[in-house]
Amino acid sequence: AQKVTQAQTEISVVEKEDVTLDCVYETRDTTYYLFWYKQPPSGELVFLIRRNSFDEQNEISGRYSWNFQKSTSSFNFTITASQVVDSAVYFCALTPSLGTSYGKLTFGQGTILTVHP
Amino acid sequence: ETGVTQTPRHLVMGMTNKKSLKCEQHLGHNAMYWYKQSAKKPLELMFVYNFKEQTENNSVPSRFSPECPNSSHLFLHLHTLQPEDSALYLCASSQVRRLDTEAFFGQGTRLTVV
Repeated sequence: AQKVTQAQTEISVVEKEDVTLDCVYETRDTTYYLFWYKQPPSGELVFLIRRNSFDEQNEISGRYSWNFQKSTSSFNFTITASQVVDSAVYFCALTPSLGTSYGKLTFGQGTILTVHP
Repeated sequence: ETGVTQTPRHLVMGMTNKKSLKCEQHLGHNAMYWYKQSAKKPLELMFVYNFKEQTENNSVPSRFSPECPNSSHLFLHLHTLQPEDSALYLCASSQVRRLDTEAFFGQGTRLTVV
């Protein structure tokens, strides 16, 4: 069975602060993919990143960065210099890479991020 | 035009009503999914369709009946629902066996059962 845990239910920061969203996962699969999605108030989930279990390189995309540590089964997400537009619910998700598609996802509970001006 | 479109965006129905949720994807994908997002619970996968064939039903009650007439359209037929079925229902699509693409989600249908 797979499980994704986002221990932080809600985080509140002031604009320009850095914020890290934690994600810990459990899986018996040897190969898998990890994802982060953002859910703004409009409802749709917006894809942010996909990471293969073989690739432990950290990734940076603008103000976003991700730290994947297989040894601790963690895939944390950091927003640098947060902005009000970053306010949303963020989901970490997992799928086995031996599956046939990336739509069959196990999600964490989500972290509600509020960035105050 | 968004990649995955869901209608209606909001729906209020009584427990004895029958209604349907519609999802359409314009991405040329061949897999479609229904997820349920309840308050304070993780998103739950309900159904999976690959090439129009249902490949997964995660113990969903029979009052939810999916239909996939073609790779671009997915329906969720609802009848005799319960108040606890009130939730955001999200549709997603992806490309089967493509390792360089992710799932795309619609904006969801906010369902309220009264």
